[in-house]
Amino acid sequence: DIQMTQSPSSLSASVGDRVTITCRASQSISNYLNWYQHKPGKAPKLLIYAASTLQSGVPSRFSGSGSGTDFTLTISSLQPEDFATYYCQQSYSISTFGPGTKVDIK
Amino acid sequence: QVQLQESGPGLVKPSGTLSLTCAVSGGSISNNHWWTWVRQPPGKGLEWIGEIYHSGSTNYHPSLKSRVTMSIDESKNQFSLKLNSVTAADTAVYYCARGNANSWGNWFDPWGQGTRVTVSS
Repeated sequence: DIQMTQSPSSLSASVGDRVTITCRASQSISNYLNWYQHKPGKAPKLLIYAASTLQSGVPSRFSGSGSGTDFTLTISSLQPEDFATYYCQQSYSISTFGPGTKVDIK
Repeated sequence: QVQLQESGPGLVKPSGTLSLTCAVSGGSISNNHWWTWVRQPPGKGLEWIGEIYHSGSTNYHPSLKSRVTMSIDESKNQFSLKLNSVTAADTAVYYCARGNANSWGNWFDPWGQGTRVTVSS
């Protein structure tokens, strides 16, 4: 399996902050990388697919970049509804997810 | 819009069979999608279990392949997961999701809310 890592595992931030989350694959996955937001008790929500394409309906403050093994998810100005756990997922081979990054309120 | 809802027993005995169903509403399960199961054990990350196409074709995670069976019922617009010989390690929240596979990859959207399954005697 392709192993996915994320950093940091958690972060505390304030409303309005710029937040960057990093995801790294154990081998090159081209741009077969997706990002999800997950809140407790809710369905995970797709934010970004193919590394940088914003899913329809997702606010433009979310953006993704990267290719190969290193990827980032950026939230340009953190909003109250953005406090959640974020996961990356590779689909280059059998899907695997990163361990998640929990974003909470500072 | 398409919505998914998982259902099934919340408690399964060790060595028994976990059986879950995912009902799809707002769209046809016969469309060009792979229907997927993902689980999240307590305190752990997300794990892809497998997927099924409306034709009945399946792909399973190698580590679970010997214990997993997925099926699809187009007449009821739902698909199902069976996992046999369960142990405490299979305790998790189980999600169903619609896979969107194309040349750019495969992403899951939408997802169901998830259903918690505990394996315990």
